[in-house]
Amino acid sequence: DVKVTQSSRYLVKRTGEKVFLECVQDMDHENMFWYRQDPGLGLRLIYFSYDVKMKEKGDIPEGYSVSREKKERFSLILESASTNQTSMYLCASSLGTTDTQYFGPGTRLTVL
Amino acid sequence: DQQVKQNSPSLSVQEGRISILNCDYTNSMFDYFLWYKKYPAEGPTFLISISSIKDKNEDGRFTVFLNKSAKHLSLHIVPSQPGDSAVYFCAASVQTGANNLFFGTGTRLTVIP
Repeated sequence: DVKVTQSSRYLVKRTGEKVFLECVQDMDHENMFWYRQDPGLGLRLIYFSYDVKMKEKGDIPEGYSVSREKKERFSLILESASTNQTSMYLCASSLGTTDTQYFGPGTRLTVL
Repeated sequence: DQQVKQNSPSLSVQEGRISILNCDYTNSMFDYFLWYKKYPAEGPTFLISISSIKDKNEDGRFTVFLNKSAKHLSLHIVPSQPGDSAVYFCAASVQTGANNLFFGTGTRLTVIP
């Protein structure tokens, strides 16, 4: 079974803080993704990575950065958190470029 | 611009009846379609997929139908069970391109016992 884990289920931060969201997958998947889910907007892709140290912007990369230093780990960074970044953040991974994505349980981030 | 649309935000169905969830897309390059199910406080889980070379794919109680000319797909659940109550997302991708999935906004299915 594919397992994708995220470091926190719930997180509360203050405006302006730097926030790190960590994601780890244990199935040697090449591709990893970060999404945010908001009511009425579905899942929107923030960034993805198809290899170590490689990253590509998704649909809404503004205000975010990512890091992939190891194959199994993909980090999402909010350099200076803002209230409009309050959301559910979902990490996913897939083996190949055409394979099904498997999701972690999500991190609900609240920025006050 | 939303390339994958789920126009019904919610659907209620009696237990034992058929649930039909609909999804429309605008990009004719999409050739792979998936349905995900999401329970509250959990990540989406893959349910069923279909390639554009098919018009139907069945897995137990779940069947996905694809109408390429109408750019429409649907998920049928028969018979519906209370445990099927969740938010369902359809997603689409271009298999030869980057592995980007484009998601719809989701439909909340409630199966009434």
